[in-house]
Amino acid sequence: QKEVEQDPGPLSVPEGAIVSLNCTYSNSAFQYFMWYRQYSRKGPELLMYTYSSGNKEDGRFTAQVDKSSKYISLFIRDSQPSDSATYLCAMSELTGGGNKLTFGTGTQLKVEL
Amino acid sequence: SQTIHQWPATLVQPVGSPLSLECTVEGTSNPNLYWYRQAAGRGLQLLFYSVGIGQISSEVPQNLSASRPQDRQFILSSKKLLLSDSGFYLCAWSIPRRASAEAFFGQGTRLTVV
Repeated sequence: QKEVEQDPGPLSVPEGAIVSLNCTYSNSAFQYFMWYRQYSRKGPELLMYTYSSGNKEDGRFTAQVDKSSKYISLFIRDSQPSDSATYLCAMSELTGGGNKLTFGTGTQLKVEL
Repeated sequence: SQTIHQWPATLVQPVGSPLSLECTVEGTSNPNLYWYRQAAGRGLQLLFYSVGIGQISSEVPQNLSASRPQDRQFILSSKKLLLSDSGFYLCAWSIPRRASAEAFFGQGTRLTVV
């Protein structure tokens, strides 16, 4: 079993739709949770990060963490064609060797006109 | 502000040839530095990370090595490339001793070994 599971998609939605992207994880030691956006042939770009359980909102994006269920989500409101990209979740825990991120495999999103 | 530079953007190399990919970070001191490889459908695989000059930790045994000759310079190398070394290589940095460990990525190098 992978530490972080993420549906690869592709997910195709019409412009203006609400998008829900999700990850599940198995390591209860994860404390920090991040979402990255990656356009084709580019490096990942950090969108948001949250600590522990709860919600965090930034413009059209909302990150949600449920540590009891080991489940995190990213919601995109009023989706735009420019949101078409691969979205990667990432998580970190404190380790003796310093902090390292564990990534999901990414969900490919396409927002269509 | 901090920036990360990674080059080249694309590279085609024959099997058995050497490799050197370079990454530099500006605007910060003593960053944690990382090399990742990304394969289709497999997400990001951490190859090496470094918390200081000359300090390299390897995450997976492979045909690659890394070096950090200067505080903000990270180099990925190979003496003899294999076909299986093809992939998208990403350099990243993070703020040292920060619990959240969010990483900031360069634009990547697409390596094709032929």
